[in-house]
Amino acid sequence: GENVEQHPSTLSVQEGDSAVIKCTYSDSASNYFPWYKQELGKGPQLIIDIRSNVGEKKDQRIAVTLNKTAKHFSLHITETQPEDSAVYFCAASISSGANSKLTFGKGITLSVRP
Amino acid sequence: NAGVTQTPKFRVLKTGQSMTLLCAQDMNHEYMYWYRQDPGMGLRLIHYSVGEGTTAKGEVPDGYNVSRLKKQNFLLGLESAAPSQTSVYFCASSRTTGPWESQHFGDGTRLSIL
Repeated sequence: GENVEQHPSTLSVQEGDSAVIKCTYSDSASNYFPWYKQELGKGPQLIIDIRSNVGEKKDQRIAVTLNKTAKHFSLHITETQPEDSAVYFCAASISSGANSKLTFGKGITLSVRP
Repeated sequence: NAGVTQTPKFRVLKTGQSMTLLCAQDMNHEYMYWYRQDPGMGLRLIHYSVGEGTTAKGEVPDGYNVSRLKKQNFLLGLESAAPSQTSVYFCASSRTTGPWESQHFGDGTRLSIL
């Protein structure tokens, strides 16, 4: 099955700096890659996603890039703010008809220092 | 718009007790999922449902049962709770069967088994 890995497990940046979180996946058939943000005591919330036919997608201060050849995708956060501190999960989905399921990475804790 | 609602939010059980976690969604979604989240393990799929009256096993189904008698509800049961089932449980739902569909999560049930 699919295996999604995130590195590093924790990341600390200074407010205003950029943060980059990287994920790798194992199955070349994966074609959908969402990123979720989980704040303390809350459930994961989708913040951005990308499909395999697109190399990059931006939404204000966040962007996601996908390299299908290398089988990795990254989340980029610019001008980080304290409210960006959270756990971020990447995921990958393989289309298999009615049984498409997401495989999640183990999460990375991002801390933004004021 | 409530989205995905999980009850209860917290629960403490003794080993061997049984209980049912309730998930309700008001978005008319076809797919529903139960995950558990453990430190350093990310989100692991327990069971899922592709529509009313259907259920299927996920990655870690042992010790759990599920039912989807109504489209808007997905119940997770622990028949005989064990300390290894201490975790945070998340329910999610998604709109269609397509591979691009993002999942919407509830805020979790924190379960401790003593």
